[in-house]
Amino acid sequence: QQPVQSPQAVILREGEDAVINCSSSKALYSVHWYRQKHGEAPVFLMILLKGGEQKGHDKISASFNEKKQQSSLYLTASQLSYSGTYFCGTSANQAGTALIFGKGTTLSVSS
Amino acid sequence: DAGVIQSPRHEVTEMGQEVTLRCKPISGHNSLFWYRQTMMRGLELLIYFNNNVPIDDSGMPEDRFSAKMPNASFSTLKIQPSEPRDSAVYFCASLRIGTDTQYFGPGTRLTVL
Repeated sequence: QQPVQSPQAVILREGEDAVINCSSSKALYSVHWYRQKHGEAPVFLMILLKGGEQKGHDKISASFNEKKQQSSLYLTASQLSYSGTYFCGTSANQAGTALIFGKGTTLSVSS
Repeated sequence: DAGVIQSPRHEVTEMGQEVTLRCKPISGHNSLFWYRQTMMRGLELLIYFNNNVPIDDSGMPEDRFSAKMPNASFSTLKIQPSEPRDSAVYFCASLRIGTDTQYFGPGTRLTVL
C-alpha cells in the first residue's frame, strides 16, 4: 500500500536535471509531493489530481500517469537549495483524507 | 499567520515513563494528522481527526499509544509506558477539509533511553 519511490538517492551538480518516481499498486485520486530539509518539517510542493494536468513552478514540475498509477517529479537545472529528501504522499480518496507516504528520495546538489 | 505549533520540540525520557506530545493546528483547519518518522519506516500516519473526531487510528502501533482532540485547537499524543523503539520524530499536520494541502508542524524529536 505504501508507494514506492525511486531512486532512493540522487547526487547532482548544480545545473543538472533529475527525475524522481513514485509508484502505487492502488488506484489513486491524488499524489502530493513534499520536500524535507534535514531537521525540518516536510514542506508542500505540489499536488497532482486524477484527471488533472501536469503542474509545476519555477524549475520543478510533476506529472501523473493514471494508467500506471505513477507520478514523476522533474527537477530542472538544479540549485543548491533543491537538496533535501523528497516524499510522495498518495491518497485513493477525495480531498482531505490521510496520505500514505513513500520512503523518500534524498537529493544532494553540490556546486 | 502562525503555522502548526508542536511542543515540546525535543523530549528525552527514560523507558517506562509517560510522554505527552502536543499540537495546535492552524486556525480554521478542521483536520489533524499525527505522523511518526524514523529512518527505517519513513513517515507513517498514526491517526487522524476530522472535526475533532478520530477517523482512522489503524496506524497507532499498540495500546501504549493514545491520541485525543478535545477541541478544534488542541490535540495530544500520549505514550504510556514509553519504550526505546518509540524514539522518532513525531509530526502533527493540519488542513482545512475540502482542500488538499497538509501543513506540517516542526515536529517533536523523542528519545527514549
